[in-house]
Amino acid sequence: NAGVTQTPKFRVLKTGQSMTLLCAQDMNHEYMYWYRQDPGMGLRLIHYSVGEGTTAKGEVPDGYNVSRLKKQNFLLGLESAAPSQTSVYFCASSPGQGIPQYFGPGTRLTVT
Amino acid sequence: GESVGLHLPTLSVQEGDNSIINCAYSNSASDYFIWYKQESGKGPQFIIDIRSNMDKRQGQRVTVLLNKTVKHLSLQIAATQPGDSAVYFCAETHGQNFVFGPGTRLSVLP
Repeated sequence: NAGVTQTPKFRVLKTGQSMTLLCAQDMNHEYMYWYRQDPGMGLRLIHYSVGEGTTAKGEVPDGYNVSRLKKQNFLLGLESAAPSQTSVYFCASSPGQGIPQYFGPGTRLTVT
Repeated sequence: GESVGLHLPTLSVQEGDNSIINCAYSNSASDYFIWYKQESGKGPQFIIDIRSNMDKRQGQRVTVLLNKTVKHLSLQIAATQPGDSAVYFCAETHGQNFVFGPGTRLSVLP
């Protein structure tokens, strides 16, 4: 099992550009999450999904959109990147609520 | 709002000593807690968890203690090794989503 994988690993964007981060998991987990991690702060939840075709907002959803068309994939989109979105983005999955999440290796995004 | 924090941002210990990493949480309704380890350039890795109906739980070289009276969580690592060097952070939940603390960086000195 590959677990949770994320592509790309690194990306540099100019302000106003758009991009999509891909998360894939091969553990048949129902729940998937997108977090951002900034220096000195804990992981903050952007969006999450409790099953195929569902999405919900987390703590910091503004400027991001997500889609869960297939159970194994969870996409995070930035329509118009801003410098404030410079961060490390982590995807995670879990079998259900109240269960440890498995994290991907992260994507380091820089917006100039 | 609910929050999870750590008392010390950095901790240095001698190899072979025991390490204690602390976490305070503010939501008394939280009923499930997790400790994660994050090595440089990697994603967080699950270490150990504990539910609110327990005070203590032990794993391999790690022990988590929960004090609900003062809303405090700690992670004890026995015989700390160089491979234990990482950022450790706690997470708590009382519903669907977890709240993560900022982390403590553990450095193991030779």
